[in-house]
Amino acid sequence: AQSVTQPDIHITVSEGASLELRCNYSYGATPYLFWYVQSPGQGLQLLLKYFSGDTLVQGIKGFEAEFKRSQSSFNLRKPSVHWSDAAEYFCAVGAPGNTPLVFGKGTRLSVIA
Amino acid sequence: NAGVMQNPRHLVRRRGQEARLRCSPMKGHSHVYWYRQLPEEGLKFMVYLQKENIIDESGMPKERFSAEFPKEGPSILRIQQVVRGDSAAYFCASSTDINQPQHFGDGTRLSIL
Repeated sequence: AQSVTQPDIHITVSEGASLELRCNYSYGATPYLFWYVQSPGQGLQLLLKYFSGDTLVQGIKGFEAEFKRSQSSFNLRKPSVHWSDAAEYFCAVGAPGNTPLVFGKGTRLSVIA
Repeated sequence: NAGVMQNPRHLVRRRGQEARLRCSPMKGHSHVYWYRQLPEEGLKFMVYLQKENIIDESGMPKERFSAEFPKEGPSILRIQQVVRGDSAAYFCASSTDINQPQHFGDGTRLSIL
């Protein structure tokens, strides 16, 4: 069965600093991997996805993520955080041809001046 | 392009009442997924439907919960005889294909008095 672990429940970074949010997954084959962002009271917005090919994936809002098969990781990065990036970030894994996305419990990002 | 539309945004019910949550997928999307989010938790898959068919309901409680996606109209998640533990945010997502990213609505926040 698939599973996703986001080790950091809450992260605080200064505006302008770099960011890395960790995600580890468990799946027997090459999974589909996603990062979503959720602002308070809102739904989830897709930041980026990995299906196959280049292991460094570019997303919206200046985010990128790197798939590392050897570490079963798909960490999200941004070189310079903006105050508007404060939100909850969810990593998810899906299996090709299979339905449900399995989500991590999320990492809440706070941005300070 | 309208995104995934869910209504109502907030729903309050007393114990024992019925709750009906509606989801209109994005235009051109024929695959609908329902997820439940409890406080401080990630999203948990409930059910996956295509038009008029339930494809996977492995995450949905066997009693009191049902879902449909009729040929015409929105998908409905129905909870009968609600209990306090049903209080959660319920999210709908849609996609064009099982292997394509899921796009989420803003959710329905269900509160049980």
